[in-house]
Amino acid sequence: EEQLLESGGGLVQSGGSLRLSCAASGFSFSSFAINWVRQAPGKGLEWVSGVTGSGAATYYADSVKGRFTISRDNYRNIVYLQMDSLRAEDTAIFYCAKEYTSLSRGSFDVWGQGTMVAVSS
Amino acid sequence: QSALTQPPSASGSPGQSVTISCTGTSRDVGGYNYVSWYQQHPGRAPKLIIYEVNKRPSGVPDRFSGSKSGSTASLTVSGLQAEDEADYYCNSYAGSRSLVFGGGTKLTVL
Repeated sequence: EEQLLESGGGLVQSGGSLRLSCAASGFSFSSFAINWVRQAPGKGLEWVSGVTGSGAATYYADSVKGRFTISRDNYRNIVYLQMDSLRAEDTAIFYCAKEYTSLSRGSFDVWGQGTMVAVSS
Repeated sequence: QSALTQPPSASGSPGQSVTISCTGTSRDVGGYNYVSWYQQHPGRAPKLIIYEVNKRPSGVPDRFSGSKSGSTASLTVSGLQAEDEADYYCNSYAGSRSLVFGGGTKLTVL
């Protein structure tokens, strides 16, 4: 069974840092892009960042560019999201999600259960 | 990266059909055939129900269908069932490997 499991969320002060992890199992990890999508309490989904299967290319939403860094370890089957200079508006559940195919764009067929990040101002 | 526009709510009675729209621009929905739809029940992670405008992943009932005209994509749920009550989100590729989501539509089965 294809699975993703996030960890690393928590409560942090404004300006602080957190590193989220997304551990994958059940599929050929290096063949698929992995993305992070967040959802503020009671709000909609927002795409945050993505990394290609090889890790050679990374992509960010304008709202996090320069503050967040995505990376992956294809030996350990883990994707990371380093979040620096956190703001109150970053408070959200963060999901990692797998692209459905190697050619798809934004079609996420496997999602983790999410990890909560709360930033106090 | 402006959010795609979805109606905040939609409703229908069991057995009826309902269509949810997702409006973008030529830089996202209108420019690419990479529109996806997700269903999200409260407290749960989203579930992919439509990808590449009108394709269904295996296991998704054919009651769910997608289409696109210009810069507006649509999700139609036919034969509404109680378990279809959920939030629905569209997303679209927006070039340069960026993505944009819609604001979400709460579907109520009356």
